[in-house]
Amino acid sequence: GQSLEQPSEVTAVEGAIVQINCTYQTSGFYGLSWYQQHDGGAPTFLSYNALDGLEETGRFSSFLSRSDSYGYLLLQELQMKDSASYFCAAGKSTFGDGTTLTVKP
Amino acid sequence: GAGVSQSPSNKVTEKGKDVELRCDPISGHTALYWYRQSLGQGLEFLIYFQGNSAPDKSGLPSDRFSAERTGGSVSTLTIQRTQQEDSAVYLCASSSTGDYSPLHFGNGTRLTVT
Repeated sequence: GQSLEQPSEVTAVEGAIVQINCTYQTSGFYGLSWYQQHDGGAPTFLSYNALDGLEETGRFSSFLSRSDSYGYLLLQELQMKDSASYFCAAGKSTFGDGTTLTVKP
Repeated sequence: GAGVSQSPSNKVTEKGKDVELRCDPISGHTALYWYRQSLGQGLEFLIYFQGNSAPDKSGLPSDRFSAERTGGSVSTLTIQRTQQEDSAVYLCASSSTGDYSPLHFGNGTRLTVT
């Protein structure tokens, strides 16, 4: 089976940098993905790591260390619109419980 | 279509009734997934279709839940004899391949069982 752990809540101020961690335990591994979900909305894809290292997509970056079973999502230059829930996912069938990010002015 | 379409967007039903939820994936996407999301929770995998292969039903919580995908496109999730604990948002997603391409989600169906 698989399980992922991520913090339930994170708060940061506008313009800051925030890191959301995700640790996983899996019997098989198909990469780590990150999704953003605004209240009442559909999850949208942010980033995917199949191999170790950093993937950068604009203000968002994601990192994976398979030896440590650990990854993180890094959000830079935070904006108010970044307030949302962020989910890490191993493959397509196992999602973390989500981290609620609140960006304050 | 431009995105994954789900209907209805909201469904209120009485305990014990059957419900059908529909998902129309992005054209050309061979993989289709159903998830359930309770308020403030993560996504619970229900079932996965890939092309013409037998579906992966390992996430279905009970035999009251079933799904089919006709012609490799539209999918219907059926919940029989609904219970109050079935109340949740049911999300459908599609992707172009099974493992490595991103999921594209619909807006979900909010099911309320009274």
